Amino acid sequence: GAVVSQHPSWVICKSGTSVKIECRSLDFQATTMFWYRQFPKQSLMLMATSNEGSKATYEQGVEKDKFLINHASLTLSTLTVTSAHPEDSSFYICSAGRGIEAFFGQGTRLTVV
Amino acid sequence: AQSVTQPDIHITVSEGASLELRCNYSYGATPYLFWYVQSPGQGLQLLLKYFSGDTLVQGIKGFEAEFKRSQSSFNLRKPSVHWSDAAEYFCAARNSGYALNFGKGTSLLVTP
Repeated sequence: GAVVSQHPSWVICKSGTSVKIECRSLDFQATTMFWYRQFPKQSLMLMATSNEGSKATYEQGVEKDKFLINHASLTLSTLTVTSAHPEDSSFYICSAGRGIEAFFGQGTRLTVV
Repeated sequence: AQSVTQPDIHITVSEGASLELRCNYSYGATPYLFWYVQSPGQGLQLLLKYFSGDTLVQGIKGFEAEFKRSQSSFNLRKPSVHWSDAAEYFCAARNSGYALNFGKGTSLLVTP
């Protein structure tokens, strides 16, 4: 099966700093990747669609200036949480499509202190 | 609007008992349907999926799901639950593209 790797698996940062999360498709190319956010004991909510070589498409209510997405190659998308605040603490998961399936990364637990 | 509903927030079953987790979808056309399992602090593992064809889908870990168009449902079942099955279960759906629409999840507790 296809493998999507997400790094780091967890990160703690100070309020006001920025954090970058990487999502890589290891054995296939992905023109489109997706970023989800999951609050504790809640479901996954789509944040944005990352398109290789073009701007990301953000879901309604997601601040594009706070959550910067870059999809510079067919195997890598990054999510940067800028000027992080405690309310940004969450579980972030990426996915990439191949064939008719979507494959998920392991997720990144972000804690902002 | 398109939606996925999991009516049960929590379910408790005894080890060895059968399990059924409910999922209903609201889409204009039949979407692709999925069930995922998530252990605490972990990512998502795909249990099974339905795209077309046979309405009874077999998955991993002894799970199966039945697609019922008339009821807009895709319920997950397992004949005999093991303690290791305790986790959060998510039903999800999509049309074209790969972005998934998730239900709110059902938390499964397994008692001895």
